[in-house]
Amino acid sequence: EVQLVESGGGLVQPGGSLRLSCAASGFIFSSYWMTWVRQGPGKGLEWVANIKQDGSEKYYVDSVEGRFTIFRDNAKNSLYLQMNSLRAEDTAVYYCARGITGFDYWGQGTLVTVSS
Amino acid sequence: DIQMTQSPSPLSASVGDRVTITCRASQSITRYLNWYQEKPGKAPKLLIYAASSLQSGIPSRFSGSGSGTEFTLTISSLQPEDFATYSCQQSYSTPYTFGQGTRLEIK
Repeated sequence: EVQLVESGGGLVQPGGSLRLSCAASGFIFSSYWMTWVRQGPGKGLEWVANIKQDGSEKYYVDSVEGRFTIFRDNAKNSLYLQMNSLRAEDTAVYYCARGITGFDYWGQGTLVTVSS
Repeated sequence: DIQMTQSPSPLSASVGDRVTITCRASQSITRYLNWYQEKPGKAPKLLIYAASSLQSGIPSRFSGSGSGTEFTLTISSLQPEDFATYSCQQSYSTPYTFGQGTRLEIK
């Protein structure tokens, strides 16, 4: 059974940092692009970043470029999102999802709240 | 960035109704269009990918069509569990933008 389990969310002050993790199981992790998607309170889904199977390609939405870094450890079947210089508008539930087009499996999400 | 616009929102319907949700892209995305169902507290669920391909395990009452800039998601006969929010997403070029979502409500 495919499972994606996010962790690492929490309350952080503006300007702070947080690292999200996504533990994958039930499939060959190293064979898939992986993606982070977020949903702010009362808002729609927003694609944040994705990463190629071997980590050689990464893409970001403009609003996080230079502040967030997506990376993966295929030996640990894990995806990460390092978030620096956090802003109030980064407050959201963050999901990891499998795939590059049509995300067929999603985690349950982890809540990030940026507030003083 | 490609803008995705859904209509209508919200949408009121009854069990057994046939409903159609429209998604328009600000430029051609050929058939790189996916549909998701969202329910509170649950992970989004992929319904349709590549505009019209039904994801495994999704009931056949769900269907998608379109190409270029205009796409539709149709539910042929609404079931009680279908009342949810539906979002389209383009995967033609990054950032892979989503529509604002269409909330399907019980009439």
